[in-house]
Amino acid sequence: NAGVTQTPKFQVLKTGQSMTLQCAQDMNHEYMSWYRQDPGMGLRLIHYSVGAGITDQGEVPNGYNVSRSTTEDFPLRLLSAAPSQTSVYFCASSYGRGGSREKLFFGSGTQLSVL
Amino acid sequence: KNEVEQSPQNLTAQEGEFITINCSYSVGISALHWLQQHPGGGIVSLFMLSSGKKKHGRLIATINIQEKHSSLHITASHPRDSAVYICAANTGNQFYFGTGTSLTVIP
Repeated sequence: NAGVTQTPKFQVLKTGQSMTLQCAQDMNHEYMSWYRQDPGMGLRLIHYSVGAGITDQGEVPNGYNVSRSTTEDFPLRLLSAAPSQTSVYFCASSYGRGGSREKLFFGSGTQLSVL
Repeated sequence: KNEVEQSPQNLTAQEGEFITINCSYSVGISALHWLQQHPGGGIVSLFMLSSGKKKHGRLIATINIQEKHSSLHITASHPRDSAVYICAANTGNQFYFGTGTSLTVIP
């Protein structure tokens, strides 16, 4: 199993550009999620999904869109990048659809800079 | 307002020392997670617990639901334990993270 595959590892954007961060898992996990990690602030949840066709907002959803058309994939879209979106982004998944999550499996992260 | 607070923020220990990292949370949880972030940035899950105590090798995690407090202990610390340790409160579908404890173990 590859686990959680996240691409790209690094990306530089200009303000106003759009891009998609890819996340795929091969563990048949129902729950998938996106986080951003900023210095001194810890990880913050952007969006999450509890299964194909179901997504919801986390703590910091503004400026980001998600969709979940398959169990395996959960892309994160930046429609019009802003310098405030410069951060390290992580995708994570876990087994189970219910309220109590199993352990989280993380992707390797994407370092995004918006100029 | 931080839903999850960790202490200490930074910790330096001599090899072999017993280490304790504390986590307090203010939200109702279904589980508490401990994560390890390596110097290269990768994050791995160490423990998920909803009551009592779990042990894996030299790592022990405990939780007191009534006091909304969890601790991560490392026995016989080793330089390879140097990393950032993060606790996360799982409130069903949402996760709230502490800012992490940066641990350095000196040989």
